[in-house]
Amino acid sequence: DTEVTQTPKHLVMGMTNKKSLKCEQHMGHRAMYWYKQKAKKPPELMFVYSYEKLSINESVPSRFSPECPNSSLLNLHLHALQPEDSALYLCASSRPGGSRSYNEQFFGPGTRLTVL
Amino acid sequence: QQPVQSPQAVILREGEDAVINCSSSKALYSVHWYRQKHGEAPVFLMILLKGGEQKGHEKISASFNEKKQQSSLYLTASQLSYSGTYFCGTEMGTGRRALTFGSGTRLQVQP
Repeated sequence: DTEVTQTPKHLVMGMTNKKSLKCEQHMGHRAMYWYKQKAKKPPELMFVYSYEKLSINESVPSRFSPECPNSSLLNLHLHALQPEDSALYLCASSRPGGSRSYNEQFFGPGTRLTVL
Repeated sequence: QQPVQSPQAVILREGEDAVINCSSSKALYSVHWYRQKHGEAPVFLMILLKGGEQKGHEKISASFNEKKQQSSLYLTASQLSYSGTYFCGTEMGTGRRALTFGSGTRLQVQP
């Protein structure tokens, strides 16, 4: 299985809602990532988990809360979002690697989020 | 720091060649190349490591000039399927295993 799956594909939420995005991979990868992508822009890194521990938080607002319950699963909990948070949220995974390692990232199809 | 990609957009006829460039002002550990088609996820194409190692597609080649911190992606004998937005992602040699993506190059291959 060389696939990263994400659910839901689309999500519309109000500013007072609480929702979660889910990402799953069964490639044995131990690094998982959340990216935010606006239209016609590159993916922007939000969080990195390595061996189920949060290793990088790119100063993301606390209304985004990541969680890595196990080595295959990554969640992004959303609460009190703003309309400007509307974007495509991409999950990716890779081998965490050491020096001289290839850590190509495999991306999921993304969740298209609209905040009203 | 975001790498700089050029050109911003390219239009080709099938069979023509293209070069996409990516440069950084910081020392790099690796450069990744991804292609993203409209409405789809980015797909890995190529990774180049400091020191000359690389891994990627057979039909796509790339180079990494460590002295200049520049990478180029070479698309030869382009096919319609090559259309999409190409991103380079750079990884600094600081042990921070995360990518910063360039602004992208939109490539359109016409029949």
